[in-house]
Amino acid sequence: AQSVTQLGSHVSVSEGALVLLRCNYSSSVPPYLFWYVQYPNQGLQLLLKYTSAATLVKGINGFEAEFKKSETSFHLTKPSAHMSDAAEYFCAVIPGFQKLVFGTGTRLLVSP
Amino acid sequence: SAVISQKPSRDICQRGTSLTIQCQVDSQVTMMFWYRQQPGQSLTLIATANQGSEATYESGFVIDKFPISRPNLTFSTLTVSNMSPEDSSIYLCSVEGGTGHYNEQFFGPGTRLTVL
Repeated sequence: AQSVTQLGSHVSVSEGALVLLRCNYSSSVPPYLFWYVQYPNQGLQLLLKYTSAATLVKGINGFEAEFKKSETSFHLTKPSAHMSDAAEYFCAVIPGFQKLVFGTGTRLLVSP
Repeated sequence: SAVISQKPSRDICQRGTSLTIQCQVDSQVTMMFWYRQQPGQSLTLIATANQGSEATYESGFVIDKFPISRPNLTFSTLTVSNMSPEDSSIYLCSVEGGTGHYNEQFFGPGTRLTVL
């Protein structure tokens, strides 16, 4: 089955530290990949998407993600965490001609 | 991007009752999607709603429990029928955006439902 796996249900970083949220996918065809963020008591907001163009994708709020086919990964990074980055982050994939599938989510905690 | 609003934003309901959630989009869209997000979990697609046709339900979801209407290209409703505490979740609607073939989805703010 096509799926996406997010390693770590919780990630804690200090303000100013590197943020790394991991996402691996399984797909027999080239996938389309997305990262969404959900702030407390809000809906989902698109951070960035990969649709077979450049492998390094830059998104909003300083986030970026790199598509690595050999590793079947699409990890989300940000060089310097800010308190306002605390939220739930979801990796999602459209595996071929199918519907959007979400990972289980990673809660990012940012401490002062 | 599309701007999506949902009503109500939250509700507390008694078991056995039904709640209808409204989703309004600021532009015409072909497909609208309804998702459920149970506490502490990810999003699960309930159904896809196309204007002028019956909604398509995912495995584990049935029309009798989650009837959907799609009267025009900017509006849809999802009803949660005969509710039980297990239906306590956030319900989100979404639409596809962009100009490519596989586009991102834009989400409404969600309806937070608690069933007592």
